[in-house]
Amino acid sequence: DVKVTQSSRYLVKRTGEKVFLECVQDMDHENMFWYRQDPGLGLRLIYFSYDVKMKEKGDIPEGYSVSREKKERFSLILESASTNQTSMYLCASSSPLRGYTFGSGTRLTVV
Amino acid sequence: QKEVEQDPGPLSVPEGAIVSLNCTYSNSAFQYFMWYRQYSRKGPELLMYTYSSGNKEDGRFTAQVDKSSKYISLFIRDSQPSDSATYLCAMSTTYGNNRLAFGKGNQVVVIP
Repeated sequence: DVKVTQSSRYLVKRTGEKVFLECVQDMDHENMFWYRQDPGLGLRLIYFSYDVKMKEKGDIPEGYSVSREKKERFSLILESASTNQTSMYLCASSSPLRGYTFGSGTRLTVV
Repeated sequence: QKEVEQDPGPLSVPEGAIVSLNCTYSNSAFQYFMWYRQYSRKGPELLMYTYSSGNKEDGRFTAQVDKSSKYISLFIRDSQPSDSATYLCAMSTTYGNNRLAFGKGNQVVVIP
C-alpha cells in the first residue's frame, strides 16, 4: 500500500515562528498536494507539485511556501505563523495508476 | 457558484438504516468522481471512485453518478456504527493526475 507520512501529528507553535511541515511518500508518485481542512470550509488546496522543483499555487497560497527537492518529499513552510493558520494540514500524493492517497494529517495550533 | 456543493449538515441514523449522501457540481469537465471516508483525527481514505455516469457497487456501498444532472450520490446499506465518519465527495477531470475538487463533507453518526 502507498504510504504518505506526515512527520508530526500535533504541533504547537508561537505566532511569528517559521514552521516546517514535512510529507514523505514511498510510491514514486509524481504529484503531491498540501491541503488545509477547517470546520465548515472543507479541504482547501494550498500548493501542489507535479515534479521535483516544480510548484503551483492552489486556492489559498498566501502565507505559505513549499519545497520539493526530492520526488518523495514535499514540505510546507509557514514563513511567519499566525493564529489564523491554526488548522488541520493534510498532505496527499497521486499518480494516474493509483489515484490519490492522503497522510494522517498534522493538527497545527498557533498561539 | 462553488465547483462542488455538499450540504455539510450532520446526519444521525439508527444502525441498519440506509444512509444517502449527495453532491452537485458545476464543472461539466469532471470525469472522475470519488467518495472519501475520514475518521476523526485521520486523513481521508478512498472509499469508491467512478468514471463518468453510472453506478458502482462495493459491498454495502453504492456510488451513483448522473452527469446530465451534475449530481452524484453515495448509499450505505445496513449501516453500522463503524460507518460513523465524515464522508467527502471529490471529483477531477483526470484520475490521479490533477487537483481534486472537494465537497465540504457530511458527518455521519450511526447510532447502535
